[in-house]
Amino acid sequence: GDSVTQMEGPVTLSEEAFLTINCTYTATGYPSLFWYVQYPGEGLQLLLKATKADDKGSNKGFEATYRKETTSFHLEKGSVQVSDSAVYFCALSDPLYSGGSYIPTFGRGTSLIVHP
Amino acid sequence: NAGVTQTPKFRVLKTGQSMTLLCAQDMNHEYMYWYRQDPGMGLRLIHYSVGEGTTAKGEVPDGYNVSRLKKQNFLLGLESAAPSQTSVYFCASRYHGQGFSNSPLHFGNGTRLTVT
Repeated sequence: GDSVTQMEGPVTLSEEAFLTINCTYTATGYPSLFWYVQYPGEGLQLLLKATKADDKGSNKGFEATYRKETTSFHLEKGSVQVSDSAVYFCALSDPLYSGGSYIPTFGRGTSLIVHP
Repeated sequence: NAGVTQTPKFRVLKTGQSMTLLCAQDMNHEYMYWYRQDPGMGLRLIHYSVGEGTTAKGEVPDGYNVSRLKKQNFLLGLESAAPSQTSVYFCASRYHGQGFSNSPLHFGNGTRLTVT
């Protein structure tokens, strides 16, 4: 079956540091890939997505590139802010996975803590 | 445009009591989902629905029931609450048309349930 593996957190950084959160996946077909962000006390919201190999999703200074050869979708930001402190979830949606076309597969989430 | 609205936001139950969590979406989405989120466990799918009048079990359905009598509403019921059901519950919906595997989930802000 499909799966998503994220680096364990928490990731603790100082403001303006460079961020990488690793995400790798296994999938039966050709999935779409997503990053969601969850701020304290809120639900998940879409941060960015990529739908095919070599696509780059970007939003709010965050970027991730769909790498089919390494089955990865790592999240990066050049200079983090305190307001980026949140939990980040990597997810995939695979239309060819039996039954899974309705159900996205989520990683376990990575907590990011940014200090001033 | 409210998106996905969950009620109530907080609830405390005693063991054995029952309750219903309501999820309402105004985006005309066919697909709806109920997840629970526990520390270190990520998101776990309880039940989901691919249309009005249909429901299906997810990863952790035991102790929960659901109903989708109207397209915009997805109800999650706990018939006899147990302390193990203390969690944060999230509802989500998703676009169902062509290319839906590329479409993200839209989440509510959650219901924080404590069972004593």
